[in-house]
Amino acid sequence: QQQVKQSPQSLIVQKGGISIINCAYENTAFDYFPWYQQFPGKGPALLIAIRPDVSEKKEGRFTISFNKSAKQFSLHIMDSQPGDSATYFCAASINTGNQFYFGTGTSLTVIP
Amino acid sequence: EAGVAQSPRYKIIEKRQSVAFWCNPISGHATLYWYQQILGQGPKLLIQFQNNGVVDDSQLPKDRFSAERLKGVDSTLKIQPAKLEDSAVYLCASSRVGQGAGEQYFGPGTRLTVT
Repeated sequence: QQQVKQSPQSLIVQKGGISIINCAYENTAFDYFPWYQQFPGKGPALLIAIRPDVSEKKEGRFTISFNKSAKQFSLHIMDSQPGDSATYFCAASINTGNQFYFGTGTSLTVIP
Repeated sequence: EAGVAQSPRYKIIEKRQSVAFWCNPISGHATLYWYQQILGQGPKLLIQFQNNGVVDDSQLPKDRFSAERLKGVDSTLKIQPAKLEDSAVYLCASSRVGQGAGEQYFGPGTRLTVT
């Protein structure tokens, strides 16, 4: 059973556009929601993370929106750049230090 | 700060052979994780250590997979015998405990191909 469901599977965006990736979860015990970026041949790298006590977190061009009642969270990449082309994974965990349950990933391509 | 180191980066073996992967976590990180990432999927936890003790190995196929973390630093993951479905990238990650816990730092992974 997939603990975290992610969509879309792939996304193509024009340079300067907004990329939006969505995730949903069922387990209300999750309390830490990170987003990871992975380039080919590399391990995932933390992009931004949020806890359920806030509805939005912004770091540069990257924003997480969190809807606790709907059990959904999303990543918004503003002013998308070709260098943002990568696979993005959402994840969730119960208490810090425990395993991450990853989504299935979104392959983002930003066209110049 | 040096990142998580893994070796080898690539390995090709035949089914029923054995293979071992090595991981050196970030210095001072007490928690170490091994994940399996099958092509097109997100990483899935195989085993989690805190220092040299196992915290969670519920998803480790114990009939063929084993892992150890002697002295609470480096770790090895072994597969014996390998099956075709073990073809995947094996990722090692580490994190702190206490303040700053939560963020997991991943190594580059070992890509295993079983033929």
